[in-house]
Amino acid sequence: AQSVTQLGSHVSVSEGALVLLRCNYSSSVPPYLFWYVQYPNQGLQLLLKYTTGATLVKGINGFEAEFKKSETSFHLTKPSAHMSDAAEYFCAVSEGSGRRALTFGSGTRLQVQP
Amino acid sequence: KAGVTQTPRYLIKTRGQQVTLSCSPISGHRSVSWYQQTPGQGLQFLFEYFSETQRNKGNFPGRFSGRQFSNSRSEMNVSTLELGDSALYLCASSPGTGPSNEQFFGPGTRLTVL
Repeated sequence: AQSVTQLGSHVSVSEGALVLLRCNYSSSVPPYLFWYVQYPNQGLQLLLKYTTGATLVKGINGFEAEFKKSETSFHLTKPSAHMSDAAEYFCAVSEGSGRRALTFGSGTRLQVQP
Repeated sequence: KAGVTQTPRYLIKTRGQQVTLSCSPISGHRSVSWYQQTPGQGLQFLFEYFSETQRNKGNFPGRFSGRQFSNSRSEMNVSTLELGDSALYLCASSPGTGPSNEQFFGPGTRLTVL
């Protein structure tokens, strides 16, 4: 069975500071990994995904994540936070092999202080 | 292209009633998945449909059911509603069934059970 752990349910940063949201996964097969963002009263929007190949993945809005198999991690980073980044972020894993169902982490709410 | 649409956006029901939620995928997308989002359990996979066939099902009781029509539109039904069914129900569509295919989420239907 696969699972996702997001460390820190709330993260607060100052505008312009580095954003680091942590995600660790467990999967019995090579995983497909995703980061989604959810703004209030909206659905989920894909920020980036890792399938195969390059382990450093660049996404939208200046976010990127690095797949580290040895650490079973897929942390999300952004060099400089913007007020508009305030939202809830979800890490998700799909096992593939015909099983597309996403298993989500519990989410991290990002606050950006002016 | 229009995004994933879900109707209704808000719904209030009482215990014991049943409810049907509707999802229209992005034009050309044939895969539709449903997820339940609650504060306590987070985001959980309900089921996935492709070409009118259920391909995967999450760990939910039989009161939760769904179907997909020939035009790829999907409905999910919850019978004998319980208070714990109060949640945001999210629909996601995807062009194919590959595990790396991005799932595009709709805004959700917020169901309140009184």
